[in-house]
Amino acid sequence: DSGVTQTPKHLITATGQRVTLRCSPRSGDLSVYWYQQSLDQGLQFLIHYYNGEERAKGNILERFSAQQFPDLHSELNLSSLELGDSALYFCASSAMGGEGAFFGQGTRLTVV
Amino acid sequence: SQQGEEDPQALSIQEGENATMNCSYKTSINNLQWYRQNSGRGLVHLILIRSNEREKHSGRLRVTLDTSKKSSSLLITASRAADTASYFCATDAVRGSTLGRLYFGRGTQLTVWP
Repeated sequence: DSGVTQTPKHLITATGQRVTLRCSPRSGDLSVYWYQQSLDQGLQFLIHYYNGEERAKGNILERFSAQQFPDLHSELNLSSLELGDSALYFCASSAMGGEGAFFGQGTRLTVV
Repeated sequence: SQQGEEDPQALSIQEGENATMNCSYKTSINNLQWYRQNSGRGLVHLILIRSNEREKHSGRLRVTLDTSKKSSSLLITASRAADTASYFCATDAVRGSTLGRLYFGRGTQLTVWP
């Protein structure tokens, strides 16, 4: 168990809809990262938050947004969903000076 | 692209044999990490090696790093069926890295037969 919790585990929704994925980082970790894993793109970094502030954006679409709350949990919002957004979405957290990033079990999003 | 590339794409061995996976990357790095992923599940952090380290061990895992060749290898000794998974290398390649902003390769699918 990595200590990173993601909910829900599975999500099935229709095109055009909006969903929210939730992540609780390991206790004490201030950094939260979101990743997307799809068959064609592999694992892609989406966005990084540190202690409530956005630090870096990767390959994140404008239809996607995220935030990190004062209790350090984070949410990834995906809107106007398309079939191609179907993927595994992972959250990870890390500590400064630590030994790596620790990933949650992911949310499998299926857009139909 | 800064992504690491693993080689081979797939590896099939018998229990008890050693498995070696390689990773090449393109830019300077602060550290390189190896992860394991069982089918459709989360990534498990295996080991991190910093750019000033050449070799690191953790249990049955041995990782080497050659920054002059921009390559790393992961050796799993005395493999077990439970080691069957995809293995990814990930580089940070970002100034002021915070360990989690990573660039992943496509992974090596390791199958260990009983």
